[in-house]
Amino acid sequence: DAMVIQNPRYQVTQFGKPVTLSCSQTLNHNVMYWYQQKSSQAPKLLFHYYDKDFNNEADTPDNFQSRRPNTSFCFLDIRSPGLGDAAMYLCATSRGLAGEKAYNEQFFGPGTRLTVL
Amino acid sequence: AQSVTQLGSHVSVSEGALVLLRCNYSSSVPPYLFWYVQYPNQGLQLLLKYTSAATLVKGINGFEAEFKKSETSFHLTKPSAHMSDAAEYFCAVSERGSQGNLIFGKGTKLSVKP
Repeated sequence: DAMVIQNPRYQVTQFGKPVTLSCSQTLNHNVMYWYQQKSSQAPKLLFHYYDKDFNNEADTPDNFQSRRPNTSFCFLDIRSPGLGDAAMYLCATSRGLAGEKAYNEQFFGPGTRLTVL
Repeated sequence: AQSVTQLGSHVSVSEGALVLLRCNYSSSVPPYLFWYVQYPNQGLQLLLKYTSAATLVKGINGFEAEFKKSETSFHLTKPSAHMSDAAEYFCAVSERGSQGNLIFGKGTKLSVKP
């Protein structure tokens, strides 16, 4: 089945120690998104890639970076995790079709829960 | 700017009772509308979507939603709640002509009592 895969599902890191979360997709979608979701809150968009074009949300901290080496993979790098970065990180994809009649539902992975000690 | 309002951060129903989760959007041009469900420690799963075909949309797990332009609403309903419906539900919109960025409501946590 075509899907969005996130590894690992649970990640523990130490305060200030860089960590990388990964996402892969078999849907061949143009767009890949990274969201941060804290407890009992809606997902907050950090950034997204439309193909290789990177789009950063204005309020995403510089501590968060992303890489998309090819269509299938996208990585979230947290350079110096703080206690406030503990959250669920969700990856999503969409087809990214253009035009007035194009609707682009997003398909989500299972998420990676990050704990910062 | 587009916004989504979900009334009630927490809704509790008895098993077998009607489920009604409310969602209102702010755009004057009807956007695309989505309901997602999230179970604990899981990603978001699409329940249903409105893309300007039928105003009454049927989704998975017996859920449906009705788009009402006059009320700028897209409320989610299920005639009879099941224990397995306990989860967090998010309403989201995507503006027409956009690449598909979603604007989420704050979510409604549904509890189902036996």
